Amino acid sequence: AAGVIQSPRHLIKEKRETATLKCYPIPRHDTVYWYQQGPGQDPQFLISFYEKMQSDKGSIPDRFSAQQFSDYHSELNMSSLELGDSALYFCASSQRLAGGLTLYEQYFGPGTRLTVT
Amino acid sequence: AQTVTQSQPEMSVQEAETVTLSCTYDTSENNYYLFWYKQPPSRQMILVIRQEAYKQQNATENRFSVNFQKAAKSFSLKISDSQLGDTAMYFCAFIQENSGNTPLVFGKGTRLSVIA
Repeated sequence: AAGVIQSPRHLIKEKRETATLKCYPIPRHDTVYWYQQGPGQDPQFLISFYEKMQSDKGSIPDRFSAQQFSDYHSELNMSSLELGDSALYFCASSQRLAGGLTLYEQYFGPGTRLTVT
Repeated sequence: AQTVTQSQPEMSVQEAETVTLSCTYDTSENNYYLFWYKQPPSRQMILVIRQEAYKQQNATENRFSVNFQKAAKSFSLKISDSQLGDTAMYFCAFIQENSGNTPLVFGKGTRLSVIA
């Protein structure tokens, strides 16, 4: 079965640089979530999109922005990178239109490991 | 706001034995869903099992089962016949029922080691 695709898988940037992370949800999934997982921590919700519109916002810094495109893929744009941004960034997708439990099941991509030096 | 608590930072179990991971949560909502995710050393987040709050019957997926106690707000995971491949971080997660775009709220995780 198709899974969530994230690219790149690894990214090394210097402080104050910018980075763009991409996420391709499971086919027919219409909702995308972004989570940040620091070393030894649980995933923290950043932002989500449904049908190309932002639907919920968590602890996303103002330096970060994101969007969902017409093909449902999403991009997380990160600017003025700081050392503390080093983390694993997950994208997850779900299918809202399915209804019932299915719409609450989130499937995660493999993550993008961002290292800021 | 909902919170999820996993009181066991680390656990270990002998291969083929049974282990139970604890999870409690706090919510004022009546309708919600609970999940257990597994994160092996590869860091992939894998959905292990899910439970609808309105269902009294405990969910089961092969060697994985839950003990869902709604009144006590408890959602423990039992792994039977533990295998070396079960070694991973396990996260309990909560999601509130609404229009469907609610993010997951995770516990801090329990690191499980299966010993040969």
